[in-house]
Amino acid sequence: QQQVKQSPQSLIVQKGGISIINCAYENTAFDYFPWYQQFPGKGPALLIAIRPDVSEKKEGRFTISFNKSAKQFSLHIMDSQPGDSATYFCAASRDRGSTLGRLYFGRGTQLTVWP
Amino acid sequence: GAVVSQHPSRVICKSGTSVKIECRSLDFQATTMFWYRQFPKQSLMLMATSNEGSKATYEQGVEKDKFLINHASLTLSTLTVTSAHPEDSSFYICSAQTGYNEKLFFGSGTQLSVL
Repeated sequence: QQQVKQSPQSLIVQKGGISIINCAYENTAFDYFPWYQQFPGKGPALLIAIRPDVSEKKEGRFTISFNKSAKQFSLHIMDSQPGDSATYFCAASRDRGSTLGRLYFGRGTQLTVWP
Repeated sequence: GAVVSQHPSRVICKSGTSVKIECRSLDFQATTMFWYRQFPKQSLMLMATSNEGSKATYEQGVEKDKFLINHASLTLSTLTVTSAHPEDSSFYICSAQTGYNEKLFFGSGTQLSVL
């Protein structure tokens, strides 16, 4: 059973545009929601993460929007650049000390930013 | 930032042999390490959680006798794929947590190909 559902599977955006990726979760015990960027043959790299006590978090061009009641969260990439072309994963876990890394990942979104 | 080193980055082996993958935290002590596997163009699936000096906790459906995990020190965890078969071919990724309620860092992954 997929604990975290992610959409779209692929996304094509023009340079300078906004990329939006959505995720939904079922387990209300989750309280840590990170987004990862992964390039082919590499491990995932943390982009930004949010906890349920805030509805939005922004770091540079990356923004997470969080809707606790709807159990949804999304990643917005502003001013998308060709270098942002990668696979993006949302994830969720229960942050109870040592369980931060017990992450449940979405299926991933292949983002392509064309010049 | 903290570095997690994973070795080897790529390994090819014959069916029936065992393969060991190392995950090291280079500049911090990792209280907990996690192992994931990822099939091509698929999500990361958590395999197990390991704490230094204790037995690993495996996720449902993961064969503990097939995937042996040893966490001998606060900076090293190993995953041994025993009697590997072609269906074990996958991208294996480790992550390390810096401490209780602290940050999580991923290794660069190991591509295992079993012939």
